[in-house]
Amino acid sequence: GAGVSQSPRYKVAKRGQDVALRCDPISGHVSLFWYQQALGQGPEFLTYFQNEAQLDKSGLPSDRFFAERPEGSVSTLKIQRTQQEDSAVYLCASSPAFLGTQYFGPGTRLLVL
Amino acid sequence: EDKVVQSPLSLVVHEGDTVTLNCSYEVTNFRSLLWYKQEKKAPTFLFMLTSSGIEKKSGRLSSILDKKELFSILNITATQTGDSAIYLCAVEAGGANNLFFGTGTRLTVIP
Repeated sequence: GAGVSQSPRYKVAKRGQDVALRCDPISGHVSLFWYQQALGQGPEFLTYFQNEAQLDKSGLPSDRFFAERPEGSVSTLKIQRTQQEDSAVYLCASSPAFLGTQYFGPGTRLLVL
Repeated sequence: EDKVVQSPLSLVVHEGDTVTLNCSYEVTNFRSLLWYKQEKKAPTFLFMLTSSGIEKKSGRLSSILDKKELFSILNITATQTGDSAIYLCAVEAGGANNLFFGTGTRLTVIP
């Protein structure tokens, strides 16, 4: 069975450029999470979806960050006008229920120059 | 403020040694504690602990939770070079369904 997949795996962006990161969760998983992991740090929570509803976006660092999951499956994390401090690995995780183990994708490594 | 602290930050051992990794937490409305192993980019799930004093075991790895003292340990016996990784502790807490992660323990096993 397929796990969580993310694309692209690597992204280099010029400062000011918009980027879109995609997450395909495990089929049937209702919960989807985005995390930002800076070098040498643990993942930091960004936002959470239950099906298509974004129930918590308290971790998004600024209004340049936007996430959606319009059909309750694939999710996209968009970062507008990227800054160098946005450089990090962006991890997506899905979970089969509201309370459950989260399974992580391989992440997208974003480098903003 | 919710907080998860792991120690040590890094550890170097020889193959065959036994290691103990620590995770302490201060959170509101604790629900569960999870251990992950992170080798490249994606953390892979090891254990989920919700009850105190019940050891979870998988091969050479085991873990236990103490909800009174607010900590968990992850033990690895007879370490192998393939155990080299960052071990992340995460706590599920609060009103929202998200995880608070520690910074991890980087384990290096030398042949």
